[in-house]
Amino acid sequence: DIVMTQFPDSLAVSLGERATIRCRSSQSLLHSSNNKNYLAWYQQKPGQPPKLLIYWASTRESGVPDRFSGSVSGTDFTLTISSLQAEDVAVYYCQQYYGIPRWTFGQGTKVEIK
Amino acid sequence: EVQLVQSGPEVKKPGESLRISCKASGYTFTNYWIRWVRQMPGKGLEWMGIIYPADSDTKYSPSFQGQVTISADKSIDTAYLQWTNLTASDTAMYFCARDERTWGQGTLVTVSS
Repeated sequence: DIVMTQFPDSLAVSLGERATIRCRSSQSLLHSSNNKNYLAWYQQKPGQPPKLLIYWASTRESGVPDRFSGSVSGTDFTLTISSLQAEDVAVYYCQQYYGIPRWTFGQGTKVEIK
Repeated sequence: EVQLVQSGPEVKKPGESLRISCKASGYTFTNYWIRWVRQMPGKGLEWMGIIYPADSDTKYSPSFQGQVTISADKSIDTAYLQWTNLTASDTAMYFCARDERTWGQGTLVTVSS
C-alpha cells in the first residue's frame, strides 16, 4: 500500500504570511499514461466534509483562491498558502489516488493563526 | 447538481446493528464508484472501502474487512454502510464520496452504553 507522510502536524502562521505543508509518498504517484501525479490536497473545517483544493498535484479546483498552490518534486509534494487569511484556519490533508480505487490520506496538518 | 446526501446522526448501544445511507443525485449512479471514509473524533481521514453500484463490486481496506459491509441499491441510487455488532470504537463521522470533489455531508455515529 502507498503510505503518505505529511508534515508538520501543526503550523502557526501570522496573517498575511506564507504557510507551507509537505507530503511525501512511499512510491511515485506519476502515471506514465498521462504524465500526471495522482495527488490531491483538501481543506477541512470542523463539522464539514473535506473540500478539494488541488488535484493532479498542482491544478487548482474551480473557485479556490489563487493564494493556494501545489507543487511536486519527485515523491515530495507541497501545498503553499501564499498569504494566510483568517478563513484558512483548518486542517489540510494530502491524498493519493494513484492506487485507484484505494485512497490513502496524510495524517493532516492543523493551520492556526500566530 | 451532483450531490450525495447522507442519513442523519445515530446514537446506538454496543452490540447493536446499524445501516447508514448515502443517496446520490444529479448523475448516473451506476457509472461511478462510491467510497466510504471514517474520521474518528479529533483524528484524520481513513479510507474504508469502495463499491461500484452497477455490479456491486466491493473492495475493503484491510483495516475494515470483516468489520463493516458496504452495499448499494441501484434502483434507488443509494449506497450503504452497515455494522452488525457496534462497539465504542465505531464512534466516528462517516463520509461517502464519489470522487475527490463530491462528498456527502457526513453521518455522525455515536456508540455508547
